Amino acid sequence: EAQVTQNPRYLITVTGKKLTVTCSQNMNHEYMSWYRQDPGLGLRQIYYSMNVEVTDKGDVPEGYKVSRKEKRNFPLILESPSPNQTSLYFCASSLDGGAQYFGPGTRLLVL
Amino acid sequence: GQNIDQPTEMTATEGAIVQINCTYQTSGFNGLFWYQQHAGEAPTFLSYNVLDGLEEKGRFSSFLSRSKGYSYLLLKELQMKDSASYLCAVIEVTGANNLFFGTGTRLTVIP
Repeated sequence: EAQVTQNPRYLITVTGKKLTVTCSQNMNHEYMSWYRQDPGLGLRQIYYSMNVEVTDKGDVPEGYKVSRKEKRNFPLILESPSPNQTSLYFCASSLDGGAQYFGPGTRLLVL
Repeated sequence: GQNIDQPTEMTATEGAIVQINCTYQTSGFNGLFWYQQHAGEAPTFLSYNVLDGLEEKGRFSSFLSRSKGYSYLLLKELQMKDSASYLCAVIEVTGANNLFFGTGTRLTVIP
């Protein structure tokens, strides 16, 4: 089954404790991206990647890092999480930056 | 930059037709998407318009006017399961394809 998976689905952590949210897709898509979704603000792009070893900043990259060592994986790293990074995070992939397929979401709470 | 506007909430009756509007201002326009998002779930792709005109797909249709910076999503024969948020998103080419989302329209279908 074609899908985008994210782990963990839910996470509660404390300020400053590094964390990684994994994202994997099995559709051989070139393009992957990360979004956060907050009430009243909609989906905002954090980072995206057009291919292996090619990443670029989206709208709200501050406080986040990504890597794209393999085509299928695109982890999101929060080196020192802060409470304003409490949000719902979605990973997405697409063949060419067009129609994107979203993962199930990761709900993060930073205390 | 981009500015994407859509109504925050709409209510419609089961069996009726509803039109959800989206206006945008952006440079380097390269297409417009509509996504559906049920509460607590990931967005799912509904439609893509890059040329002016109407695209029909079953009960859902999407229209685009590039000169007016305007799109609408038309839902016919509304069903209760159509209660969801509908997200308008614009692809902007600024060196790469970036996808920018509106804040979404929450549609409630009532019996």
